[in-house]
Amino acid sequence: QVQLQQWGAGLLKPSETLSLTCAVSGASFSGHYWTWIRQPPGKGLEWIGEIDHAGITKYNPSLKGRVTISLDMSKNQFSLSLISLTAADTALYYCAKGPPDGFAPWGQGTLVTVSS
Amino acid sequence: DIQMTQSPSTLSASVGDRVTISCRASQSISTWLAWYQQKPGKAPRLLIFKVSSLENGVPPRFSGSGSGTQFTLTIEGLQPDDLATYYCQQYNSYPYTFGQGTKLEIK
Repeated sequence: QVQLQQWGAGLLKPSETLSLTCAVSGASFSGHYWTWIRQPPGKGLEWIGEIDHAGITKYNPSLKGRVTISLDMSKNQFSLSLISLTAADTALYYCAKGPPDGFAPWGQGTLVTVSS
Repeated sequence: DIQMTQSPSTLSASVGDRVTISCRASQSISTWLAWYQQKPGKAPRLLIFKVSSLENGVPPRFSGSGSGTQFTLTIEGLQPDDLATYYCQQYNSYPYTFGQGTKLEIK
């Protein structure tokens, strides 16, 4: 059974950098995509980006080059970095496996609040 | 970006009802369409992928249909546990995008 466990700092100041990590158990990275998604409080879902087992990444242009997703296959983990934070980046951040068969499973979510 | 539009935004139905939620894509997305259920305080849960394939463990009263730009999620025999917000999502082209959500309330 595939499980994703995520962690990272939850309270950050404007201009700081968000760093989240997602640990994968029950699956190898080969043949899959690994994704980050966020959800502002009370709002809908926004795809942030993905990485494949070869380290090839795709990002949402709405994040204007502030995002980096990386992979550590030795630790079975992948990570999200988002620089130059503003209040608009306040959200629940989720990691997930997929596509192509949809996104499943998801991590438990990490609430990141950006506030001075 | 491909825009995904769900209707209705809110839906109120009774236990045992048949419920349908629609999702329209701003351009063709072939069969790369998924549906998710999100309960309050929880991560979204995949229900259906590739338009109509049921995820493991999801009750068969959930079903999906459609093609091109018009898609539907149907719930047969609504249960109290189905109280949630439902999202459609396209993963045909980058950036992947979600519908705005349909909040399902139980009468």
